[in-house]
Amino acid sequence: DAGVTQSPTHLIKTRGQQVTLRCSPKSGHDTVSWYQQALGQGPQFIFQYYEEEERQRGNFPDRFSGHQFPNYSSELNVNALLLGDSALYLCASSVRGLQTPLHFGNGTRLTVT
Amino acid sequence: AQTVTQSQPEMSVQEAETVTLSCTYDTSESDYYLFWYKQPPSRQMILVIRQEAYKQQNATENRFSVNFQKAAKSFSLKISDSQLGDAAMYFCAYKRTGNQFYFGTGTSLTVIP
Repeated sequence: DAGVTQSPTHLIKTRGQQVTLRCSPKSGHDTVSWYQQALGQGPQFIFQYYEEEERQRGNFPDRFSGHQFPNYSSELNVNALLLGDSALYLCASSVRGLQTPLHFGNGTRLTVT
Repeated sequence: AQTVTQSQPEMSVQEAETVTLSCTYDTSESDYYLFWYKQPPSRQMILVIRQEAYKQQNATENRFSVNFQKAAKSFSLKISDSQLGDAAMYFCAYKRTGNQFYFGTGTSLTVIP
């Protein structure tokens, strides 16, 4: 039973560029959430997707956008990268309607130079 | 806004001994869930234990147990018979109905052989 998988593992981008991160949820899960974890901090909620729509959003600017595909996989896009976007980006999946805990992937380490 | 506070940035424990990690949270909700997640150097967030606020009985999972004090909004994690593999960052998390999780800033646990 595959868990949550994220790609790539590491990424280095230049300020002003755009980046796309990818996530496949755990088998049987239909909801994907994205979190940003800055160095030394806890994860911060970016947004959540269910049925291919953004359902909830945290306090992040519109430069952060996403998408969910019919197979429940998801992408996180960040435009006009800033140095402060450097962080570990975690994808988590769950089952909508059930009070299940989040299952996390190993994250993508994004460095903006 | 919900906030989760972990006041111990670092803790250490001798192998086979017991350690308690503290967590407090702020909410006006009566129905919610609390979690402890472990994040080893591999970066993957792993669920340690969960507690439903409506349950008065403290959750237990093998060597891990919690002390849930709803009135005080306190949710501490006790690790008994500590093992070297317990060394990691530990995050306390809060979730109300819906799927947005709020995380604390984490406690780094060192296990001394």
